[in-house]
Amino acid sequence: EAQVTQNPRYLITVTGKKLTVTCSQNMNHEYMSWYRQDPGLGLRQIYYSMNVEVTDKGDVPEGYKVSRKEKRNFPLILESPSPNQTSLYFCASSLRLSSTDTQYFGPGTRLTVL
Amino acid sequence: DQQVKQNSPSLSVQEGRISILNCDYTNSMFDYFLWYKKYPAEGPTFLISISSIKDKNEDGRFTVFLNKSAKHLSLHIVPSQPGDSAVYFCAARVVSGYSTLTFGKGTMLLVSP
Repeated sequence: EAQVTQNPRYLITVTGKKLTVTCSQNMNHEYMSWYRQDPGLGLRQIYYSMNVEVTDKGDVPEGYKVSRKEKRNFPLILESPSPNQTSLYFCASSLRLSSTDTQYFGPGTRLTVL
Repeated sequence: DQQVKQNSPSLSVQEGRISILNCDYTNSMFDYFLWYKKYPAEGPTFLISISSIKDKNEDGRFTVFLNKSAKHLSLHIVPSQPGDSAVYFCAARVVSGYSTLTFGKGTMLLVSP
């Protein structure tokens, strides 16, 4: 089954404790992206990757890191999480970044930083 | 500056009636528009899209209309069903230059039996 998976689905952590949210897709997609969803703000892009070893900042990259060492994986790293990073995070992928390519979203990771 | 605006946070409709969700954009370079639907505890799923060379695209009960001069698009759902209750996100991109998607804040649709 074609899908985007994220782990963990729920995470409660404390300020400053490094964490990684994993994202994996099994569709051989080149393009992957991370979004956060906050009440009243909709979906905002954090980082994206056009292909292996090619990443770029989205609209809200501060406090986040990513890496793309393999095509299927695109982990989101919070080196020193803060309470303002409490949010619902979505990973997405598409074949390429072109007009007609549909983005497939993962189920989301709800992160709480205390 | 918010480039894609969904000014109605919520909309309530009765089953069988038409649901109309609206979206406005400010960036005149946008030339491809999409609607995503999101259920609680799930990721958004693609619903329907439209290119700027068209003014209408239809897929079953879902139709998207684009008014380029007004920088406005709308999603019509006819007839609405309780299973359509979800958050609907409007998104836009500039095709050339491989720009990424810009999303609106979403509209929560509630279809009551």
